[in-house]
Amino acid sequence: DSGVTQTPKHLITATGQRVTLRCSPRSGDLSVYWYQQSLDQGLQFLIQYYNGEERAKGNILERFSAQQFPDLHSELNLSSLELGDSALYFCASSVSGLSYEQYFGPGTRLTVT
Amino acid sequence: GQNIDQPTEMTATEGAIVQINCTYQTSGFNGLFWYQQHAGEAPTFLSYNVLDGLEEKGRFSSFLSRSKGYSYLLLKELQMKDSASYLCAVRDPDAAGAGSYQLTFGKGTKLSVIP
Repeated sequence: DSGVTQTPKHLITATGQRVTLRCSPRSGDLSVYWYQQSLDQGLQFLIQYYNGEERAKGNILERFSAQQFPDLHSELNLSSLELGDSALYFCASSVSGLSYEQYFGPGTRLTVT
Repeated sequence: GQNIDQPTEMTATEGAIVQINCTYQTSGFNGLFWYQQHAGEAPTFLSYNVLDGLEEKGRFSSFLSRSKGYSYLLLKELQMKDSASYLCAVRDPDAAGAGSYQLTFGKGTKLSVIP
């Protein structure tokens, strides 16, 4: 158990819908990262927050957005969902934005039908 | 940008030694990571190399050559539980210079350990 929690574990929804994925980092970690893992693309970095502020952006679609709240939990919002958005979404946390070790949560499996 | 290559699949025998290679071409470099991921589970950190050479940690070792853009993960005394995907990842400084880093992952090498 990494200490990072993610909810829900599974999510099934229809195309065009909007969902919110939630992540709570390890106690004391200030930085949160979101990743998408699909079968053909591997693990892809989406976005990073540090202490409430966006720090780095990867291959995140405009239909996706995220935020980190004062209590340091983070939410990833996915809208206008498409079949291709079906994937495992992982959240990871680290002590700081410069820490080399990231601890991954168990992931949320999103299925878009 | 980053380009990371690693073999898609490998098979090895229980008790043996296996080497998983990773090559990378990057616009920036600030360390190379290896993660282990069992099917449907979260990746777990195995090793981190930022300087050339070999880092040993129990049955697992990782090597880095920055001039060659090359790394390998060496697994000794293979056990059935080592059957998993092994992800190579490169860290580079965020282009915006915000004092942060991104990890770019390869697609992973699926290792099957057979009796």
